[in-house]
Amino acid sequence: AQSVTQLDSHVSVSEGTPVLLRCNYSSSYSPSLFWYVQHPNKGLQLLLKYTSAATLVKGINGFEAEFKKSETSFHLTKPSAHMSDAAEYFCVVSPWSYIPTFGRGTSLIVHP
Amino acid sequence: KAGVTQTPRYLIKTRGQQVTLSCSPISGHRSVSWYQQTPGQGLQFLFEYFSETQRNKGNFPGRFSGRQFSNSRSEMNVSTLELGDSALYLCASSLEAVNTEAFFGQGTRLTVV
Repeated sequence: AQSVTQLDSHVSVSEGTPVLLRCNYSSSYSPSLFWYVQHPNKGLQLLLKYTSAATLVKGINGFEAEFKKSETSFHLTKPSAHMSDAAEYFCVVSPWSYIPTFGRGTSLIVHP
Repeated sequence: KAGVTQTPRYLIKTRGQQVTLSCSPISGHRSVSWYQQTPGQGLQFLFEYFSETQRNKGNFPGRFSGRQFSNSRSEMNVSTLELGDSALYLCASSLEAVNTEAFFGQGTRLTVV
């Protein structure tokens, strides 16, 4: 069995300040982990993925995430938020058996 | 290259009717998966097709079905629509499997009245 918990339903930051979106997971097997972003009225776009290579994963638009097995976490960070980062973010776990499980999403609000 | 195309973008149907949604994957992608997104349940996996075969299935009733054609285009069908089927239905394509990189379409917004 697998599950994903996104610890915050909403995160509010000021433009230019760091972003931290938290994700904890559980999986019976070594999973692949992903972060996706969804802008209003759009489909999901892959930000980054972890597939058991480097534990620090760099993605698009300045985002990165660190896989911490001991903490079963895969938190998403960005050093400096931009107004265009305002969107819904989803953490996803996908084990070898394929069926992906999505977190409930974190809405990132960026204030000018 | 062209992205994942879903048609139609919006649909309004009446309870008890059936509906068919279409998804055209990125050229060369053989895996197509479908998801339901609602405010209450979030994003849930429906099923995945690979080379015209259903390879994985989520926990949805049999009213939800799909198929994939030889050109990898996929359709999803929902029969005997219920109010609770109102949702954004997303399709994603990938080269081999969704635990590689998946590319999502913009979705079909289905409203059941």
